Amino acid sequence: DAGVTQSPTHLIKTRGQHVTLRCSPISGHKSVSWYQQVLGQGPQFIFQYYEKEERGRGNFPDRFSARQFPNYSSELNVNALLLGDSALYLCASSFLSVNTEAFFGQGTRLTVV
Amino acid sequence: QQQVKQSPQSLIVQKGGIPIINCAYENTAFDYFPWYQQFPGKGPALLIAIRPDVSEKKEGRFTISFNKSAKQFSLHIMDSQPGDSATYFCAAIKHGSPNFGNEKLTFGTGTRLTIIP
Repeated sequence: DAGVTQSPTHLIKTRGQHVTLRCSPISGHKSVSWYQQVLGQGPQFIFQYYEKEERGRGNFPDRFSARQFPNYSSELNVNALLLGDSALYLCASSFLSVNTEAFFGQGTRLTVV
Repeated sequence: QQQVKQSPQSLIVQKGGIPIINCAYENTAFDYFPWYQQFPGKGPALLIAIRPDVSEKKEGRFTISFNKSAKQFSLHIMDSQPGDSATYFCAAIKHGSPNFGNEKLTFGTGTRLTIIP
């Protein structure tokens, strides 16, 4: 069984640009959450989606948006990139909306220059 | 506001020793406390988790001790090996229902563990 897959694995963008990160959850998992992990810190919650609806949002600006598709895959979009958006973006999937057992992908390393 | 405090920031232990990582939380509504292991360039992997109605849980060489009254929990790694060298994160979550949502994991700041041969 494939785990949580994220693409791309690495990305370099320029300030002001837009980026789209993608996540495919474990087969059968309906909940996808996004986290931002800045170097040397723990992951910070950005969004939770369950059954294609936004169920939770962390303390991030409106430049961050996401959506979940009918096949439960998800996209995270970030507009008007800032240097401070450089981080590892993690996607986690779980069977139910509860993150009782949340399985993380290996992340997308975003560097903003 | 940091709701889960983790210590120490880094830890060096000799092979076979028992590293102990401590976490403290503030929100008494948290009802599930997982520990994650993260290797460089990888996402966090769930190691072991505990609910607040249990004081201790063991899985293989990993043990969680939980003190509900003190709002503290800790991870012990028995017979530590160099392959255990990684960053460890404690986390906490308050469960709701699918209709409530916003069930986010709140992570500690991480402990970089090094096991020396």
